[in-house]
Amino acid sequence: KAGVTQTPRYLIKTRGQQVTLSCSPISGHRSVSWYQQTPGQGLQFLFEYFSETQRNKGNFPGRFSGRQFSNSRSEMNVSTLELGDSALYLCATSLRGGPYNEQFFGPGTRLTVL
Amino acid sequence: GNSVTQMEGPVTLSEEAFLTINCTYTATGYPSLFWYVQYPGEGLQLLLKATKADDKGSNKGFEATYRKETTSFHLEKGSVQVSDSAVYFCALSALLPQNSGGSNYKLTFGKGTLLTVNP
Repeated sequence: KAGVTQTPRYLIKTRGQQVTLSCSPISGHRSVSWYQQTPGQGLQFLFEYFSETQRNKGNFPGRFSGRQFSNSRSEMNVSTLELGDSALYLCATSLRGGPYNEQFFGPGTRLTVL
Repeated sequence: GNSVTQMEGPVTLSEEAFLTINCTYTATGYPSLFWYVQYPGEGLQLLLKATKADDKGSNKGFEATYRKETTSFHLEKGSVQVSDSAVYFCALSALLPQNSGGSNYKLTFGKGTLLTVNP
């Protein structure tokens, strides 16, 4: 079956702009989590959505937001971009979320903020 | 809070050498432990997991045993190949009481260890 799809794969933006990233989960997966990966901080959890509701949230400012649609596709939005937002953004999906469900990762969206 | 500490790389080995990547953790609740691998230009793939103490996860020649007494989950492989070159992440997911609030299902990752295997 098809894997997790993330679009776009690469983005270049300037400070102050906003950006929207998209994640399409594996068919049947209802949990979508987002992570930010940077060389300095490693992988950090942003938030998790399940059945269109945000179920868990990491320690990121309110400029980072997300949503999930009825078909389980998810988007994350970053407003007022800062240089430090440059990162690889990964989404991971699973059947139900939770500690025992294997998470499947997409290839990521590489965001560069100039 | 939960945290994962894994040995810093990079690790450079010759083909067929023995690999160990150390991982220790701190967690509340009852964590599940994972090793993920990230090949260049790709997302993370689950390599193996263990959900309770003394469980051994294994896959593609890699093994790791959940040691509760030492809070460790070290990754080992007896004979590495060039194709094993990648970044390896140790991670945990802890089930917390329902009333703890906040994030109780997120994966907490280590910083990652870059492995390079030379022919």
